[in-house]
Amino acid sequence: AQSVTQPDIHITVSEGASLELRCNYSYGATPYLFWYVQSPGQGLQLLLKYFSGDTLVQGIKGFEAEFKRSQSSFNLRKPSVHWSDAAEYFCAVGAGTGTASKLTFGTGTRLQVTL
Amino acid sequence: GAGVSQSPSNKVTEKGKDVELRCDPISGHTALYWYRQSLGQGLEFLIYFQGNSAPDKSGLPSDRFSAERTGGSVSTLTIQRTQQEDSAVYLCASSLGDRQRGEKLFFGSGTQLSVL
Repeated sequence: AQSVTQPDIHITVSEGASLELRCNYSYGATPYLFWYVQSPGQGLQLLLKYFSGDTLVQGIKGFEAEFKRSQSSFNLRKPSVHWSDAAEYFCAVGAGTGTASKLTFGTGTRLQVTL
Repeated sequence: GAGVSQSPSNKVTEKGKDVELRCDPISGHTALYWYRQSLGQGLEFLIYFQGNSAPDKSGLPSDRFSAERTGGSVSTLTIQRTQQEDSAVYLCASSLGDRQRGEKLFFGSGTQLSVL
């Protein structure tokens, strides 16, 4: 069975600083990987996804993530954080072709942005 | 509709009572999911509907939990004889159902369930 670990429960960065949120997954085959964001009072929104091909994936709001098979990681990055990026971020892994949409989520990382 | 709609947004109930949570997916989306988000936890998969196929109920935590989807659209998650550990945010999501490509899920804002 697949699993996801987000080792950082809470991260604080200053506005304008760079950001990296860590995600490690466990899955026996090529995974489908996702990052979702949950802003206060909002539903979860897809930031980006990786299925195959280029291991550096671009998403919305200036986010990107890099799939590293050797490290079983899919870390989320942003070069310059905005105050509006304060939210909870969830990494998720989808099972193989037949059940790709049955996502397993990590416990989330709460991002706080200081001005 | 414009997005996935869930009702009620908040539900407070007494232990032992039954509750029904409703999800109205995006029009045209054939796939519908229920997840549960407990405090400090990730999102726990509960159940998945895809078209006319039998639902994947593998995530339901006990037989007190059930869900149905009528007419391939609206879904209701029912929790019978609620327990305090059922307190959580229940999230519904829908998608176009293109499973081969790992489709994008659109989430509702959730129902916050509190069992006293």
